[in-house]
Amino acid sequence: GNSVTQMEGPVTLSEEAFLTINCTYTATGYPSLFWYVQYPGEGLQLLLKATKADDKGSNKGFEATYRKETTSFHLEKGSVQVSDSAVYFCALDTGRRALTFGSGTRLQVQP
Amino acid sequence: EAGVTQFPSHSVIEKGQTVTLRCDPISGHDNLYWYRRVMGKEIKFLLHFVKESKQDESGMPNNRFLAERTGGTYSTLKVQPAELEDSGVYFCASSQTGRTDTQYFGPGTRLTVL
Repeated sequence: GNSVTQMEGPVTLSEEAFLTINCTYTATGYPSLFWYVQYPGEGLQLLLKATKADDKGSNKGFEATYRKETTSFHLEKGSVQVSDSAVYFCALDTGRRALTFGSGTRLQVQP
Repeated sequence: EAGVTQFPSHSVIEKGQTVTLRCDPISGHDNLYWYRRVMGKEIKFLLHFVKESKQDESGMPNNRFLAERTGGTYSTLKVQPAELEDSGVYFCASSQTGRTDTQYFGPGTRLTVL
């Protein structure tokens, strides 16, 4: 079956540090890949997505590249801010319309 | 435009009781989904409505869970009787017809079963 594996959290960084949150997946076919973010007290928000191999999704300074050869979709940001503190979820969709999520990675950015 | 709303935001009940969660999707969204996150683990799909019809309910854990979407607008998810392992956060999401790759999520309902 489909599955998504994310790095364990929490990830604690100082402001302006470089961020990487690893995500690897197992899926049948050619899934679309997503990163969702949940800020404290809010619902999940779509952060970025990629629908085919080698696509790069980007938003708010975050980037992730769909790597079919390594079945990965790692999230990166060059310089994090305190406001980026949240829980980040990697997810995939094989067309069933039911997202398969990872367990989430909590990011804490300290001033 | 109002987002997906869920009610209540928190619910604390005792084992054996019944709880009903409500989700109001974004107006005009025919697709409505329920997910839950248990014990800080991954968010798992429960079911998918297209208008008032259940398109996919393969993620429903057992027959103690009943989801409805009368009239194709808001949806309810009833748990009866609730068990300890049902505790978690229940998320609702909606998407436009034909645009199933962008799901908009509500803030979730945190359910605690004591």
